[in-house]
Amino acid sequence: GEKVEQHESTLSVREGDSAVINCTYTDTASSYFPWYKQEAGKSLHFVIDIRSNVDRKQSQRLIVLLDKKAKRFSLHITATQPEDSAIYFCAASMPGTYQRFGTGTKLQVVP
Amino acid sequence: GGIITQTPKFLIGQEGQKLTLKCQQNFNHDTMYWYRQDSGKGLRLIYYSITENDLQKGDLSEGYDASREKKSSFSLTVTSAQKNEMAVFLCASSIDRAGTEVFFGKGTRLTVV
Repeated sequence: GEKVEQHESTLSVREGDSAVINCTYTDTASSYFPWYKQEAGKSLHFVIDIRSNVDRKQSQRLIVLLDKKAKRFSLHITATQPEDSAIYFCAASMPGTYQRFGTGTKLQVVP
Repeated sequence: GGIITQTPKFLIGQEGQKLTLKCQQNFNHDTMYWYRQDSGKGLRLIYYSITENDLQKGDLSEGYDASREKKSSFSLTVTSAQKNEMAVFLCASSIDRAGTEVFFGKGTRLTVV
């Protein structure tokens, strides 16, 4: 089945800088790529997604890029703020199947 | 908006014990999931259900049973708790099983003594 790899287990950036989290997937049939955020002591919540019919999507300070040839997608957080500190999970799913998750990236935004 | 309620929040069991975790959602979602979260391993799907009385195995179903008694509830049973079962179990739901965001509960933290 689909396997999702999340390459950075931890990431530290200065407040105001950009953060980039990268994921790869194995199955070319995957077509839906969501991202979730888990703040300390809390559960996951959805932040942004991208579908395979586009290669870029932006929602405020969040940008998702999808490279289908490389089977890679990434989350860019611009102008980072302390409240962006959290664990971010990428996921991927094929049509009609459940989402498989990466192992998470702990992002720390330092002043 | 809706909410996913998991009970209990903390569960302490003995090795070999059968333990049940419960989940309720009021989103009126068709699909519900049980994920296990281990540090450094991300989320792994144990079971999911696409409608009442349906049950589908995920990647980590061995050692677990599940039951979808009605659309709004989904329970998970650890059939025989093991020492290495210390983890957080997350219940989730979505409108369907692919292509839509998943909503998560706050989790049940299991400790086996």
